[in-house]
Amino acid sequence: GENVEQHPSTLSVQEGDSAVIKCTYSDSASNYFPWYKQELGKRPQLIIDIRSNVGEKKDQRIAVTLNKTAKHFSLHITETQPEDSAVYFCAASIYAGGTSYGKLTFGQGTILTVHP
Amino acid sequence: NAGVTQTPKFQVLKTGQSMTLQCAQDMNHNSMYWYRQDPGMGLRLIYYSASEGTTDKGEVPNGYNVSRLNKREFSLRLESAAPSQTSVYFCASSGQGVKTQYFGPGTRLLVL
Repeated sequence: GENVEQHPSTLSVQEGDSAVIKCTYSDSASNYFPWYKQELGKRPQLIIDIRSNVGEKKDQRIAVTLNKTAKHFSLHITETQPEDSAVYFCAASIYAGGTSYGKLTFGQGTILTVHP
Repeated sequence: NAGVTQTPKFQVLKTGQSMTLQCAQDMNHNSMYWYRQDPGMGLRLIYYSASEGTTDKGEVPNGYNVSRLNKREFSLRLESAAPSQTSVYFCASSGQGVKTQYFGPGTRLLVL
């Protein structure tokens, strides 16, 4: 089955700096890669996702890049703010479209702390 | 819309006791999932239901059973709880042809 490795496990930055979290996956058939943010005591929530036919996707201060050849993808957060502090999870899935469903395999998570 | 709801929010069990975690969604989603979250382990899939009437094992199914009661509800049962099942349990759902999974608020379970 799919295996997703996420690094680093903890990341500490100063407000305004950039943060980068990296994930690798094992199954070359995976084609859908979401990122979830989980604040302390809350549920995971989707912040951005990318499909394998796209190399990069941006949404305001966050971006995700995908390298299919190397089987890795990364989350980039620019101009970090204290409210970005949370646990971030990457995931991978084989999504066939149509009526199929998306069984996700998650990375182990990265605790991001943004210091004011 | 309430989205995905879970009950109870907290539960303390003694080893060997049984309990059922309830999950319901009001988004008319076909697929539902149960995950457990442990420190440093991410979210691990216990069981999932691709559509009403079907259930399948995920990564860590041992010690659990599930029931897809109808399209809205998907329950997780611990028949004989063990301390290793102390965890936070999340239910999630996703729509037909839609990739995004929406999570419930979680159930914190402590097994003594």
